[in-house]
Amino acid sequence: GAGVSQSPSNKVTEKGKDVELRCDPISGHTALYWYRQSLGQGLEFLIYFQGNSAPDKSGLPSDRFSAERTGGSVSTLTIQRTQQEDSAVYLCASSLGLQSKEQYFGPGTRLTVT
Amino acid sequence: GNSVTQMEGPVTLSEEAFLTINCTYTATGYPSLFWYVQYPGEGLQLLLKATKADDKGSNKGFEATYRKETTSFHLEKGSVQVSDSAVYFCALRQGGSEKLVFGKGTKLTVNP
Repeated sequence: GAGVSQSPSNKVTEKGKDVELRCDPISGHTALYWYRQSLGQGLEFLIYFQGNSAPDKSGLPSDRFSAERTGGSVSTLTIQRTQQEDSAVYLCASSLGLQSKEQYFGPGTRLTVT
Repeated sequence: GNSVTQMEGPVTLSEEAFLTINCTYTATGYPSLFWYVQYPGEGLQLLLKATKADDKGSNKGFEATYRKETTSFHLEKGSVQVSDSAVYFCALRQGGSEKLVFGKGTKLTVNP
């Protein structure tokens, strides 16, 4: 079946612009996660959703970052007023539930801020 | 806080060589431990996991044993293949938390 999909696969934006990154989880997966993979920091957790609510937003690096999930499915990660340090690969994962359920990762969106 | 430290790469081996990638962790309580693999051009995939002390996770010829006394989860394979060339990430998930905490990754290249 279809895996986690993310769009766009690549995004180049100018410093100061807003960007939206989209994640389509595996159908039926109730939990959705965002991570960031950068050269300097490695793989970092950003936020996770159970259904449409986000119990843990502790990894969002600043108030320029926000995420929402609607209909218990698609999620959007928004970065406002992008900075060069936001350049990274943004990974989305989904799972059937919480805790012991495996997280399945998408291919990521490579964001470059110029 | 929780953290994972894994050996820095890159690691270059010849086909059929023995592989060890070291991973140690810092966490309170009893986290679950994971190895993820990222093949070139692909997304992260779970390779193996262990959820309690002395558990051994295994998959595709890879093994790792959860050692609480040394807070380690080293990845081993007896005979690597060219197709094992990838980046390997050690990770933990603390009980009661949903987030995975990753090491920095180790790039493995296997030459024929």
